[in-house]
Amino acid sequence: DAKTTQPPSMDCAEGRAANLPCNHSTISGNEYVYWYRQIHSQGPQYIIHGLKNNETNEMASLIITEDRKSSTLILPHATLRDTAVYYCIVRSRSGSARQLTFGSGTQLTVLP
Amino acid sequence: NAGVTQTPKFQVLKTGQSMTLQCAQDMNHEYMSWYRQDPGMGLRLIHYSVGAGITDQGEVPNGYNVSRSTTEDFPLRLLSAAPSQTSVYFCASSYRRALMNTEAFFGQGTRLTVV
Repeated sequence: DAKTTQPPSMDCAEGRAANLPCNHSTISGNEYVYWYRQIHSQGPQYIIHGLKNNETNEMASLIITEDRKSSTLILPHATLRDTAVYYCIVRSRSGSARQLTFGSGTQLTVLP
Repeated sequence: NAGVTQTPKFQVLKTGQSMTLQCAQDMNHEYMSWYRQDPGMGLRLIHYSVGAGITDQGEVPNGYNVSRSTTEDFPLRLLSAAPSQTSVYFCASSYRRALMNTEAFFGQGTRLTVV
């Protein structure tokens, strides 16, 4: 699976959009981009995933560049409860690759 | 629907003791896996299973055993606990096929301290 690079920490004002970047320059054609978050040592929580098209769900939007070498997770209106470590994970579609490779993630702090 | 349930939530062991961390899921997921998370670090894969009767090693398997006799349960056994195994352990499950790229569900973790 391709490796990812994320900034170690970011701040965001409450109510503003939080934009979390991720570089995955070695991503291959059959690999998806997944985002998870972990709030205060709880179990990680799935947010969103995508292949090459932009995706949106009730939690967030995922913007993937045309060359797929980077992506941005957008939390449109961050709240204090969005303070968490956010993990960007690139994973192949191989049927045996159910495991996820976690990096260090980005600590997002939403400020009041 | 309880999702992924881990027991116990907290455990203190003495060096050399053995114990089993329990993980159960009620979503009929084929895939299950165990991770450990040390302070300030991401999760590292210990063992995983692609279905009942099938298990394989992850990144950090030494000192741990697993078995998968049913779809629902995936226990993690510490054979002889060491202080280096002090960590938070997470169990996860997900579907295998059809919805191939669906998300993984995680339990709330077991906080293990080995003294």
